[in-house]
Order: sequence, then structure tokens, then C-alpha cells
Amino acid sequence: GENVEQHPSTLSVQEGDSAVIKCTYSDSASNYFPWYKQELGKGPQLIIDIRSNVGEKKDQRIAVTLNKTAKHFSLHITETQPEDSAVYFCAASIQKAGNMLTFGGGTRLMVKP
Amino acid sequence: ETGVTQTPRHLVMGMTNKKSLKCEQHLGHNAMYWYKQSAKKPLELMFVYSLEERVENNSVPSRFSPECPNSSHLFLHLHTLQPEDSALYLCASSAPNTDTQYFGPGTRLTVL
Repeated sequence: GENVEQHPSTLSVQEGDSAVIKCTYSDSASNYFPWYKQELGKGPQLIIDIRSNVGEKKDQRIAVTLNKTAKHFSLHITETQPEDSAVYFCAASIQKAGNMLTFGGGTRLMVKP
Repeated sequence: ETGVTQTPRHLVMGMTNKKSLKCEQHLGHNAMYWYKQSAKKPLELMFVYSLEERVENNSVPSRFSPECPNSSHLFLHLHTLQPEDSALYLCASSAPNTDTQYFGPGTRLTVL
């Protein structure tokens, strides 16, 4: 089955700096890669996703890149703000009915004011 | 808010109790999922229902019993649980022919 590794497990940055979280996956058939943000006491919230026919996608301060050959994808957050502090999860899946996501272990991001 | 609701938000139960977790969505989604989130572990997929039929059961112990009576509701029946079953149980749903999953806020379960 699919295996997703995520690094780092914790990341501390100064407000205004950039943050990068990296994930690798094992199944070359995976073609959908979402990123979720989980704040304390809440469920994971989708923040951005990318499909295997695209190399990069941006949404304001958030961007995701995908390298299919190397089987890794990354989340980039620019101009970090204290409200970006949360746990971030990457995931991978093979698009189909009853889609099943395999999640990485999570990264706790702390943005210091 | 994603439109996926879960009740109760917190539950404390003894090992001999029987309880149920409920998940509800009125988003028109046709697939629903149960995940277990334990400290320092990745989210673990437990069950998947697509069109009210169970399509995946990831070797979950029989003390967890899912039920999907219709496309808007999903239950997780619990009985004879162990302390190591204490975790956050998350429900998610996805729309027809899409792969984006939307999560509820979870039920924090503590087994004494």
C-alpha cells in the first residue's frame, strides 16, 4: 500500500519568514495530493491540493509543488503569520470512488510574533 | 465550518460500556469515512462507505462497528473498548466523482 513520509515533525519560524514542509510517497500510481491544516480542537481543513498533471499550484501565500519523478511534494507558506500556527498534514491517494487518503505524520508549525 | 457535524464532541466511557458516535452531512456527498487520530501517529483510516456500501475496512477490531443508514449519516458503534482506543475519531465525507474530503471536528474519546 501507499506510504507517506512527512518532514519536519516540528517547525518554528519567525513571523514574516517562509515555511516549507516536505512529503514523499511510495506508490507511483498516486495522483492526488491534498494538504490539510488542523487547529487545536478542530478537524483537519483542506487548504490546497494538487493533481499529478500539474507541477505547481498557488493560492495567495500558499503554494504546493509536485515532483512525480522523485515522488515528493512540498508545501510552501510565505510571509507567515501567527494564525498560520497549526499542525499540517500531507496526504496522497489514487483518485477513484471511495477515495482513500494516506496521511503523513504531520508537522507542527509555530510562528513566533 | 465544513458542513460535517459530529456528536458528541467529547465522550468518556468505561471498558464495559456501549456507546455510539454520530456523523452527519447534508452536502450531497455520497462517500463517508471514519478515521482515528492518536497522539504522534498519522491519521488512520478505519472505514469507508461509498453509496452506503462499505468499501474498505482496514483490519479494525470488531469492537468498532460502523453503520451507514443513508448517505447523510454515519455511525460508529463502540463496545468493550480498551484504554488504547482513546483517541480523536474523525468523520469525513466527499462528493460524487471527487476526491476532496471534508472533515468534521471529531469526537474526543477517553476509555477508562
